Amino acid sequence: DGGITQSPKYLFRKEGQNVTLSCEQNLNHDAMYWYRQDPGQGLRLIYYSQIVNDFQKGDIAEGYSVSREKKESFPLTVTSAQKNPTAFYLCASIGDRLGEETQYFGPGTRLLVL
Amino acid sequence: SQQGEEDPQALSIQEGENATMNCSYKTSINNLQWYRQNSGRGLVHLILIRSNEREKHSGRLRVTLDTSKKSSSLLITASRAADTASYFCASSGSGNTGKLIFGQGTTLQVKP
Repeated sequence: DGGITQSPKYLFRKEGQNVTLSCEQNLNHDAMYWYRQDPGQGLRLIYYSQIVNDFQKGDIAEGYSVSREKKESFPLTVTSAQKNPTAFYLCASIGDRLGEETQYFGPGTRLLVL
Repeated sequence: SQQGEEDPQALSIQEGENATMNCSYKTSINNLQWYRQNSGRGLVHLILIRSNEREKHSGRLRVTLDTSKKSSSLLITASRAADTASYFCASSGSGNTGKLIFGQGTTLQVKP
């Protein structure tokens, strides 16, 4: 069963704590993306990676960090520097769908602050 | 903000009616894509229209693109209760990064 998985579904963060959101894909896609979605809003790009061992900042990278040590994995760490982390986080990878490049999304992780 | 604009923000219709959502974007594009999101879930790709195309159909979906106005519209015909979701447009700019700029979405409610 191919696709993108994200875990956990819900994550609670305490003040000053770093937390890591998992994103795994078995689609053999090179490029992967992390987005943040706030209530009633569209998606904003946090970080993206086009190839293993390389990643780039998106529009709202401050307070976040990523790594891309394996093609199938692109974890996102929400650091204590991110003062407003409560949001829905979506991971995506890009691949061909009938000859067109489209993004495939995971089910998301909802991060809440205690 | 780089985000595109969508209108209406919310739309409520009866089953069987058509639903039209509009999207405007800010920069030149390679293509424009439409995605659907059920509440609390990930996004699902619906349809992609390239910058050199003006109209595209897929089942009950019809997308138009006007690059001179930097705008697109998504029409869902003969809507069903199961079409209830949020719909987002996303523009893909020049370059080879695959980055998308999303609109703020239209929330569609289809009443049975």
